[in-house]
Amino acid sequence: GAGVSQSPSNKVTEKGKDVELRCDPISGHTALYWYRQSLGQGLEFLIYFQGNSAPDKSGLPSDRFSAERTGGSVSTLTIQRTQQEDSAVYLCASSLWLGLPYNEQFFGPGTRLTVL
Amino acid sequence: GQQLNQSPQSMFIQEGEDVSMNCTSSSIFNTWLWYKQDPGEGPVLLIALYKAGELTSNGRLTAQFGITRKDSFLNISASIPSDVGIYFCAGRDDQNFGNEKLTFGTGTRLTIIP
Repeated sequence: GAGVSQSPSNKVTEKGKDVELRCDPISGHTALYWYRQSLGQGLEFLIYFQGNSAPDKSGLPSDRFSAERTGGSVSTLTIQRTQQEDSAVYLCASSLWLGLPYNEQFFGPGTRLTVL
Repeated sequence: GQQLNQSPQSMFIQEGEDVSMNCTSSSIFNTWLWYKQDPGEGPVLLIALYKAGELTSNGRLTAQFGITRKDSFLNISASIPSDVGIYFCAGRDDQNFGNEKLTFGTGTRLTIIP
């Protein structure tokens, strides 16, 4: 079946511009996560959506970052007034709550953002 | 944000060698995970550990959940070319039930020398 898809795969933008990154989770998955991976680093949690609950935004680095999830499916991560330090790979993951000790997160291939 | 301390940062080995990497944290995690990331792809789950002291195998991979809940290691036996990639440990924060956000290690890049 189809996995998590993200678009665009690559985005180059100028400092100060706004960007939108899209995530299509696996169909039926109720949870959706955004992570950021800077060059040579591990993944850093940004935001989490679960069903109709209020999202956990505790990982967003500044108020320039926001995300929404429409209809419990597709999610968009928006970065306003981009800065060079925003350059990274942005990864989306989704999971299905099965009540297991850990409900596996399936990752998309990421969007590589370069801010010039 | 917080990241787990993972070592070594990189490894250069010959095919057939065994590999060992570990991960430490200043805080306790109740679930430890090991992921592998290939170039241009998202991480893929290899092994999940749920109990302190637990030792779990998946083929040539073996991972252990440290008794203090602050560390974990991953071993790969008899490495093969497809083992090349970046390996990440991750801890799960169980404070918020149902929220499975992960804290990742800094990664170990594995390279096999021809």
